[in-house]
Amino acid sequence: AQSVTQLDSQVPVFEEAPVELRCNYSSSVSVYLFWYVQYPNQGLQLLLKYLSGSTLVESINGFEAEFNKSQTSFPLRKPSVHLSDTAEYFCAVSPLTGANNLFFGTGTRLTVIP
Amino acid sequence: DGGITQSPKYLFRKEGQNVTLSCEQNLNHDAMYWYRQDPGQGLRLIYYSQIVNDFQKGDIAEGYSVSREKKESFPLTVTSAQKNPTAFYLCASSTQIAGGRNEQFFGPGTRLTVL
Repeated sequence: AQSVTQLDSQVPVFEEAPVELRCNYSSSVSVYLFWYVQYPNQGLQLLLKYLSGSTLVESINGFEAEFNKSQTSFPLRKPSVHLSDTAEYFCAVSPLTGANNLFFGTGTRLTVIP
Repeated sequence: DGGITQSPKYLFRKEGQNVTLSCEQNLNHDAMYWYRQDPGQGLRLIYYSQIVNDFQKGDIAEGYSVSREKKESFPLTVTSAQKNPTAFYLCASSTQIAGGRNEQFFGPGTRLTVL
């Protein structure tokens, strides 16, 4: 079985400040890891994913996440946030074998303050 | 443009009524999914389908039904047996290769409110 924990339900941060959104997972099998972003009243969009290789993955809009197998964590970071980053962020895992199913955390609402 | 469409965007239902939420994709994806989103609970899987004419229950299938008669379409019916149907419903699709490496593409969602 898989479970994902996002400890922070809400994270307020000032514009141009750095941010880290925490994500820990538990799984009896190896998993792929994902971060999705949801803007208000919209569907989810893939932000970045870790499948294999380098443990540091980056998105096109400045976010990055680092897979830490020993700590079973996949925190999302950005060195300087913009107002447009205000959204809800979901961490998710998917087992390497079997159906292509995602298991989501409860989400973190990031609010960027001017 | 390729993508996933969901209709309607907002839906109101009286208690005791069944309603059907539409989901259509033109991405030529084999797999399709339905999720329910509630505040503070993230997304929970209702049903998924890996191929036409086949589907499986997810974590919270009680009170819901689906069909997959066409590759492009995966409608969800919320029945009167669903005790608390007010929620945001999201449809997704992906290519179906063994294992979980494939990105799921999401529709814009349908917000269902029971009056």
